[in-house]
Amino acid sequence: IQLTQSPSSLSASVGDRVTITCRASQGISSDLAWYQQKPGKAPQLLIYAASTLQSGVPSRFSGSGSGTDFTLTISSLKSEDFATYYCQQVNSDPLTFGGGTKVEIK
Amino acid sequence: QVQLVQSGVEVKKAGASVRVSCKASGYNFITYGISWVRQAPGQGLEWMGWISNYNGKTNYAQKLQGRVTMTTDTPTSTAYMELRSLKSDDTAVYFCATRRSLALRNAFDLWGQGTLVTVSS
Repeated sequence: IQLTQSPSSLSASVGDRVTITCRASQGISSDLAWYQQKPGKAPQLLIYAASTLQSGVPSRFSGSGSGTDFTLTISSLKSEDFATYYCQQVNSDPLTFGGGTKVEIK
Repeated sequence: QVQLVQSGVEVKKAGASVRVSCKASGYNFITYGISWVRQAPGQGLEWMGWISNYNGKTNYAQKLQGRVTMTTDTPTSTAYMELRSLKSDDTAVYFCATRRSLALRNAFDLWGQGTLVTVSS
């Protein structure tokens, strides 16, 4: 199952609302996760089951979607949110990741 | 402390093998398997495969079949990933990762710190 993320990069300012999309090549129900990765670090789980916020993750992060189209939204960007974001489908093996979206400071 | 701690940096020649370890602590190691994910420099994440810590069952990514072996040592709560016949495009950071709840549906809530493997020709 291929995952296509868009955009591949974006520039935004602190306080902006940011939306990242992830499209699956076939239906995956709600079997999608979102991760944040900062340079030199392991990815951190933000959202699982498409819309469930992982424990400890700030509520400005939210996920939605099912089937083939999914969205990660950051409601009000903070400085610590500048990072690369990946979606991952966990519906079937091989597990696959999207190509990533780099969120940069405008 | 709940963590996965991986072995250190490796530098290998093309054609050699590498083995990376991943030691778990602070949770029930046997309950859930360990996946391995790699990331080439400046690139995205690639799932390599999974091993059950309960019965040793494995599932490898097709492109790595025949070159990768994942094993687990339950007494020491350590998982291993061996990659053989190394090529320059195996240069990457290798992560181990796991889930600690069925509700996560194979999303990974615990990751190792990563191990850089550099393959030189």
